[in-house]
Amino acid sequence: GESVGLHLPTLSVQEGDNSIINCAYSNSASDYFIWYKQESGKGPQFIIDIRSNMDKRQGQRVTVLLNKTVKHLSLQIAATQPGDSAVYFCAENGSSGGGADGLTFGKGTHLIIQP
Amino acid sequence: DAGITQSPRHKVTETGTPVTLRCHQTENHRYMYWYRQDPGHGLRLIHYSYGVKDTDKGEVSDGYSVSRSKTEDFLLTLESATSSQTSVYFCAISESTIRGLGTEAFFGQGTRLTVV
Repeated sequence: GESVGLHLPTLSVQEGDNSIINCAYSNSASDYFIWYKQESGKGPQFIIDIRSNMDKRQGQRVTVLLNKTVKHLSLQIAATQPGDSAVYFCAENGSSGGGADGLTFGKGTHLIIQP
Repeated sequence: DAGITQSPRHKVTETGTPVTLRCHQTENHRYMYWYRQDPGHGLRLIHYSYGVKDTDKGEVSDGYSVSRSKTEDFLLTLESATSSQTSVYFCAISESTIRGLGTEAFFGQGTRLTVV
């Protein structure tokens, strides 16, 4: 996941602008990646996923880009709206150690929309 | 919310007491997971289950045990709660193996546990 310190990174954008959230994943064996959105007091919600045999995938107003060479994932949100304010997590299906099943999460980015 | 119910939603307990959190799903998914979420750490896997009575450890399993006697229920137990286990706990489900096949995981609404 994101190689950040103890504090949650924050990205502040103007309403209507495009947002780009970045993530560096850790396990070169990962072949499936997901972006989740988490609003305050709620559980993570699926936004979009991508497999390692793809470089790009588009959804409604969102695009995920995958660069396997540098183990980098990004989420682009077009025409950001107030409802996009949330914490965004990237997740990979490679384990962080021990071979456990499940997703390994980055630490998250807090997206703030300025009016 | 993908048919996942966590209970209780909030709990305050004293250090040293046992606590059990419940996750109930109506999707008949084979895999179930317990994560904890703490500031600065994102979500970390505690334990997971790949079928009835089949469970395994995750990244932060010390101090926790789990049980799955039915497909729909996955219980997380803190045998003797400590302040370091104050956290928000999320249950998740997936239809099949995430590691092997790359499958989406659906999350519950979370349980906020405070150990005083």
